[in-house]
Amino acid sequence: DAKTTQPNSMESNEEEPVHLPCNHSTISGTDYIHWYRQLPSQGPEYVIHGLTSNVNNRMASLAIAEDRKSSTLILHRATLRDAAVYYCILRDASREGAAGNKLTFGGGTRVLVKP
Amino acid sequence: NAGVTQTPKFQVLKTGQSMTLQCAQDMNHEYMSWYRQDPGMGLRLIHYSVGAGITDQGEVPNGYNVSRSTTEDFPLRLLSAAPSQTSVYFCASSYSRPSKGNTIYFGEGSWLTVV
Repeated sequence: DAKTTQPNSMESNEEEPVHLPCNHSTISGTDYIHWYRQLPSQGPEYVIHGLTSNVNNRMASLAIAEDRKSSTLILHRATLRDAAVYYCILRDASREGAAGNKLTFGGGTRVLVKP
Repeated sequence: NAGVTQTPKFQVLKTGQSMTLQCAQDMNHEYMSWYRQDPGMGLRLIHYSVGAGITDQGEVPNGYNVSRSTTEDFPLRLLSAAPSQTSVYFCASSYSRPSKGNTIYFGEGSWLTVV
């Protein structure tokens, strides 16, 4: 399975943007880049995903490098509710069943938001 | 939609006792899985199922059994609880083909303590 590398933690002030980097140098052509986050005492929840182009949704933006070996999750205006562990995960969208659904979680990045 | 529902949320067991963690989803997802999360770590895959009647082992299957008699339910059984199984357990579900839907849904977790 392709692996991802993320910083252990990042701090931000409330209402400021947060840029969370992720390296995935061994990504394959059919791997989607997924981001999940885990709020305290909750299960992981989907944030965003992308393949090649930058993506935006109501929660965040995902900027993908041209060579796809790295990506950045952008929280445009961090709130206290955004304090969580953010996981960058690769998922092979060309495969069904276990091969396309087994997620490999690293340690993630713990985001601390200061009021 | 209820999504992925796990019960119980909290449980204390004595060493050697057995119990079943329940997981149900109402999204007609083919793929279901169980993860455990130890303090400060990412999730690790215990068992998974690609459909009713089909199950397989993940990364850390020892001490756990699963069955999948219906599409909706995927219970996790601890046969003889050990203190090393003290952890938070998450159930997840998704479509088997990522092209049908790219999001993997997680339950809220079951906190298990074995004394």
